[in-house]
Amino acid sequence: AQKITQTQPGMFVQEKEAVTLDCTYDTSDPSYGLFWYKQPSSGEMIFLIYQGSYDQQNATEGRYSLNFQKARKSANLVISASQLGDSAMYFCAMREPPNTGNQFYFGTGTSLTVIP
Amino acid sequence: DADVTQTPRNRITKTGKRIMLECSQTKGHDRMYWYRQDPGLGLRLIYYSFDVKDINKGEISDGYSVSRQAQAKFSLSLESAIPNQTALYFCATSEPAGSSGRGYEQFFGPGTRLTVL
Repeated sequence: AQKITQTQPGMFVQEKEAVTLDCTYDTSDPSYGLFWYKQPSSGEMIFLIYQGSYDQQNATEGRYSLNFQKARKSANLVISASQLGDSAMYFCAMREPPNTGNQFYFGTGTSLTVIP
Repeated sequence: DADVTQTPRNRITKTGKRIMLECSQTKGHDRMYWYRQDPGLGLRLIYYSFDVKDINKGEISDGYSVSRQAQAKFSLSLESAIPNQTALYFCATSEPAGSSGRGYEQFFGPGTRLTVL
């Protein structure tokens, strides 16, 4: 079974609008971490935001926020006020707990295009 | 200067050749990882190492081997390259949760684009 599922291969958003990128995860362990990374066309992986499974509040980092719905096992990324530079691939990832090796699992990614 | 470096950045080779991809880090992290990225498949873990004496297979280790020469160096080898190993390869490091507050965040190198003809 897929540990991380991103169901949107491609998304378009108008500049200055908000966009939500979906991510669902699968784990039976109560301790885990959720991450979003951005990969521009240049190829590097850029950390955006982190949510711990025990965190009570949704994580925010500037224009990025993570809509964490634990019961639904969902960790959607919200980008507010989209900019042209936000056009990139976005990957959701989950870190398993230390007792299972701290492995990371990545989703297949969502390609976001910001339209002027 | 980059904290996680990978060499070479690009490599074209032929089927059957032995290839080594190298990763070095100056972050002082104990944990190092090798991933490959294929279009439409995201990143998949090949091998990971929690210290010099600890090497673990990831999701797709067949056809690959690794060597952790020192805390700062983690090499990935393809003993006999085949065309379906054409991919973008990433090295990453991570630290314990308490250090950054971000729970073992992975720090990635710039990637090595490998083409096997």
